[in-house]
Amino acid sequence: NAGVTQTPKFQVLKTGQSMTLQCAQDMNHEYMSWYRQDPGMGLRLIHYSVGAGITDQGEVPNGYNVSRSTTEDFPLRLLSAAPSQTSVYFCASSYSGPRGEQYFGPGTRLTVT
Amino acid sequence: ELKVEQNPLFLSMQEGKNYTIYCNYSTTSDRLYWYRQDPGKSLESLFVLLSNGAVKQEGRLMASLDTKARLSTLHITAAVHDLSATYFCAVDERNNNDMRFGAGTRLTVKP
Repeated sequence: NAGVTQTPKFQVLKTGQSMTLQCAQDMNHEYMSWYRQDPGMGLRLIHYSVGAGITDQGEVPNGYNVSRSTTEDFPLRLLSAAPSQTSVYFCASSYSGPRGEQYFGPGTRLTVT
Repeated sequence: ELKVEQNPLFLSMQEGKNYTIYCNYSTTSDRLYWYRQDPGKSLESLFVLLSNGAVKQEGRLMASLDTKARLSTLHITAAVHDLSATYFCAVDERNNNDMRFGAGTRLTVKP
């Protein structure tokens, strides 16, 4: 049981480039979410999904897209990277829906130059 | 808008001492979560508090929730070095899927 996995672990992008951060879970959790963590600001919710085919915006969705075609996978796409998107990104999943205890992936450290 | 405030943001304490971290939130919610994060690592769930008056304990950590005061506390008893980490509280607003985290409390326990 791998839990929540994220790839890549580290990524450097130039301004304007696009990329996809991958997230997968093998716990059959319906709820999945993406957060970004910036120094001194805790975690902020970007997008979340309550099941395959259903996604919604969180607190800071601008500049990011998500899709949920399967229960297992929840990729996060950066459409045109900006230096303000330099951050650590965490994916999480929950077995009891949006209000349950969440299990976090190891994170992706993204730098945009 | 739901706001979550933790204090203190930085806490340095001696081994063996007791201390409390506070988490205040601004809107109606009946669930509160505490997480631990070690440097460079991911977040680990510590406690899920599901109702007013809930109290949970694990080792030297005890968490409580007062929904009327919109306050949760994380009490540390007889601190040890292994408890050094950043602790986050998080709240989800009732009838809303949004989850808000506090800024975190960076705890350092010194010998």
